[in-house]
Amino acid sequence: NAGVTQTPKFQVLKTGQSMTLQCAQDMNHNSMYWYRQDPGMGLRLIYYSASEGTTDKGEVPNGYNVSRLNKREFSLRLESAAPSQTSVYFCASLRGRPYEQYFGPGTRLTVT
Amino acid sequence: AQSVTQPDIHITVSEGASLELRCNYSYGATPYLFWYVQSPGQGLQLLLKYFSGDTLVQGIKGFEAEFKRSQSSFNLRKPSVHWSDAAEYFCAVGASQGSYIPTFGRGTSLIVHP
Repeated sequence: NAGVTQTPKFQVLKTGQSMTLQCAQDMNHNSMYWYRQDPGMGLRLIYYSASEGTTDKGEVPNGYNVSRLNKREFSLRLESAAPSQTSVYFCASLRGRPYEQYFGPGTRLTVT
Repeated sequence: AQSVTQPDIHITVSEGASLELRCNYSYGATPYLFWYVQSPGQGLQLLLKYFSGDTLVQGIKGFEAEFKRSQSSFNLRKPSVHWSDAAEYFCAVGASQGSYIPTFGRGTSLIVHP
């Protein structure tokens, strides 16, 4: 049982480049989330998916798009990276009641 | 909407001393409350959670937390800190009604002196 996996672990992009962060979970959870973590800001929700086929914006969605490819996979795309998107990105999935989130190891993204 | 405040950005303790990390929340109904720990370069690991029932909850690694409705608090405690407890700690609140979108505090960084 791998839990929540994320690829890549590290990435450096130049301003304007695009990339997709991959996330997969093998726990058959319905809900999945993308967060970004910046120093002193805690975790801020970018997008979430309550179930396969649905996605909704979170607190900081600008500059990002997501795809819930199937129940297992939830990807995050940066179409035109900006230095303000330098951050650590975490994917999480949610077990139904008692609503426990499981987090991936994170992707450390630097945009120069 | 719910919110979480962790008043302390950094806490420094000596190894073997007791620890209390503060967390205050805002939510209209009974919330779901969580504490997570993040070691450097790692993801978040759940320490403990409160949903209902006994207001004193036990977690992993010797941590406990107490839900105090009257104070809207869910403080994390440990009687004797180990050097390996140095990490970032996050409190989170989840709504017990509607879409489940938890809100995280900004975190408290624990520094442990030998």
